[in-house]
Amino acid sequence: GENVEQHPSTLSVQEGDSAVIKCTYSDSASNYFPWYKQELGKGPQLIIDIRSNVGEKKDQRIAVTLNKTAKHFSLHITETQPEDSAVYFCAASNTGGGADGLTFGKGTHLIIQP
Amino acid sequence: NAGVTQTPKFRVLKTGQSMTLLCAQDMNHEYMYWYRQDPGMGLRLIHYSVGEGTTAKGEVPDGYNVSRLKKQNFLLGLESAAPSQTSVYFCASTSVGGVSNQPQHFGDGTRLSIL
Repeated sequence: GENVEQHPSTLSVQEGDSAVIKCTYSDSASNYFPWYKQELGKGPQLIIDIRSNVGEKKDQRIAVTLNKTAKHFSLHITETQPEDSAVYFCAASNTGGGADGLTFGKGTHLIIQP
Repeated sequence: NAGVTQTPKFRVLKTGQSMTLLCAQDMNHEYMYWYRQDPGMGLRLIHYSVGEGTTAKGEVPDGYNVSRLKKQNFLLGLESAAPSQTSVYFCASTSVGGVSNQPQHFGDGTRLSIL
């Protein structure tokens, strides 16, 4: 089955700086890669996703890049703000929107230092 | 505008007791999922359903059963709770795949402790 590795497990950055979280996946058939943000006591919330026919996607301060050859994808957050502090999870699926479920990375605790 | 609602939010059980976790979604989604989240482990898929009356096993199904009698509800059952099932359980749902596949929407979780 699919295996998703996520790094780093903890990331501390100064407010206003950029943050990058990286994930690798094992199943070359995976074609859908969402990123979720989880705040304390809440469920994961989708912040951005990318499909295998696209190399990069942006939404304001957030961007995701995908390298299918190397089987890795990354989340980039620019101009970080205190409200960006949370745990971020990457995930992968080989059935489009994740019809058979998602395989998650172990998460990155992002800390924004004021 | 509830989205995905999980009940209960918290529960403490003794080893050997049984209970059922309820997930309800009001988005008319076809697919529903149960995940568990443990410290340092991310989320792992327990069971899922691609439609009313259907269920399938995920990555960690042992010790759990599920039922999808109504499209909007997905139940997760623990027949004989064990301390290893202490976890936070999340339910998610999504609509049918296709050209415009939709992402999974999550509830806020059920925190379950087995003593």
